[in-house]
Amino acid sequence: KQEVTQIPAALSVPEGENLVLNCSFTDSAIYNLQWFRQDPGKGLTSLLLIQSSQREQTSGRLNASLDKSSGRSTLYIAASQPGDSATYLCALYNTDKLIFGTGTRLQVFP
Amino acid sequence: KAGVTQTPRYLIKTRGQQVTLSCSPISGHRSVSWYQQTPGQGLQFLFEYFSETQRNKGNFPGRFSGRQFSNSRSEMNVSTLELGDSALYLCASREQMNTEAFFGQGTRLTVV
Repeated sequence: KQEVTQIPAALSVPEGENLVLNCSFTDSAIYNLQWFRQDPGKGLTSLLLIQSSQREQTSGRLNASLDKSSGRSTLYIAASQPGDSATYLCALYNTDKLIFGTGTRLQVFP
Repeated sequence: KAGVTQTPRYLIKTRGQQVTLSCSPISGHRSVSWYQQTPGQGLQFLFEYFSETQRNKGNFPGRFSGRQFSNSRSEMNVSTLELGDSALYLCASREQMNTEAFFGQGTRLTVV
């Protein structure tokens, strides 16, 4: 059974720092992996999708990498801002469904 | 292009009642899936529909059901509501399997 873990569970940093959020999974036979952010009480906003054949994807200040052999993905956030404060979730594609990680709650203070 | 629309945004129901939630996917997307989010269990998969056919179902009791219409809009129904059904219900839209998923704002269901 695929299990997805995100470390750390919570993170509080000053504005301007570069951050790395981690996502680990137990079964390397995955299709794709997607990163989301969720603001309190809201839905999920798609950040990046990494196809299983890719090793990384970039969008603005965000860079996500995927290493299937080690069962890991990382989300790198450059020059963090208070507006980046949210919960970040990784999700693995398993045929017709997404399997979500436990999430990292990020707070960026001015 | 309009995003995924879920209605209603908030619902308060009494134990034993039933509820229907609606999801309109992004135009051209034929896959709609539903997830339940609670503080204790996180995000859990309910079911997925593609072109009006249920392709996959999560580990939820039969009180949870759904359907998809020919215009790809989907509804989810929960009968005989229990307190534990209180959650944020999220709908995701995809063009097809393994493509990027886009989520709606969710329906917050409170059972009292």
